[in-house]
Amino acid sequence: DADVTQTPRNRITKTGKRIMLECSQTKGHDRMYWYRQDPGLGLRLIYYSFDVKDINKGEISDGYSVSRQAQAKFSLSLESAIPNQTALYFCATSDTGTLNEQFFGPGTRLTVL
Amino acid sequence: DQQVKQNSPSLSVQEGRISILNCDYTNSMFDYFLWYKKYPAEGPTFLISISSIKDKNEDGRFTVFLNKSAKHLSLHIVPSQPGDSAVYFCAAELSGSARQLTFGSGTQLTVLP
Repeated sequence: DADVTQTPRNRITKTGKRIMLECSQTKGHDRMYWYRQDPGLGLRLIYYSFDVKDINKGEISDGYSVSRQAQAKFSLSLESAIPNQTALYFCATSDTGTLNEQFFGPGTRLTVL
Repeated sequence: DQQVKQNSPSLSVQEGRISILNCDYTNSMFDYFLWYKKYPAEGPTFLISISSIKDKNEDGRFTVFLNKSAKHLSLHIVPSQPGDSAVYFCAAELSGSARQLTFGSGTQLTVLP
């Protein structure tokens, strides 16, 4: 079973619609992250959370909101989707220990028409 | 303004030869560097990392070199195998940033049989 799962894997929506992307993890990590990937730009950080009560904005948080419902769950919402939010979205987790690596989910491909 | 740059969008190498992927950064406060590999329809997976206090780290066929004075790091894969064909992302962590990563735009490596 995958340690970091994302739902849905693919989603097509229309401009102005509200959409939620969900992330769950079984790794027991406290830290969770949301990134988007655009062609030619790599991955950019949207939001991150160090525990259930700690939410922080990343590099490109405008137009997005998040909810950390539990240690294992971190959701990303687009309140009113727009076409330039069409991208590949990744959730990631990391430990608070000595390892710096982040563990990524398989991604959600979002298309906003 | 990208703080982590991978100037080669693609690289083709013959099987068995060495692959060298390059990454440049501009922020001297980065103190940890990671390489991730990404296959299509999957999330990035951690490959190898290096602390800024070192200039080399080796793990099997993969070696990362860090030149702090030039703000440059490289990933060497020897020997290259067809299964290494993937997109490789360089990432950097700011000192004291609590694991926030800044990614480069990626290099598509193709290893030809």
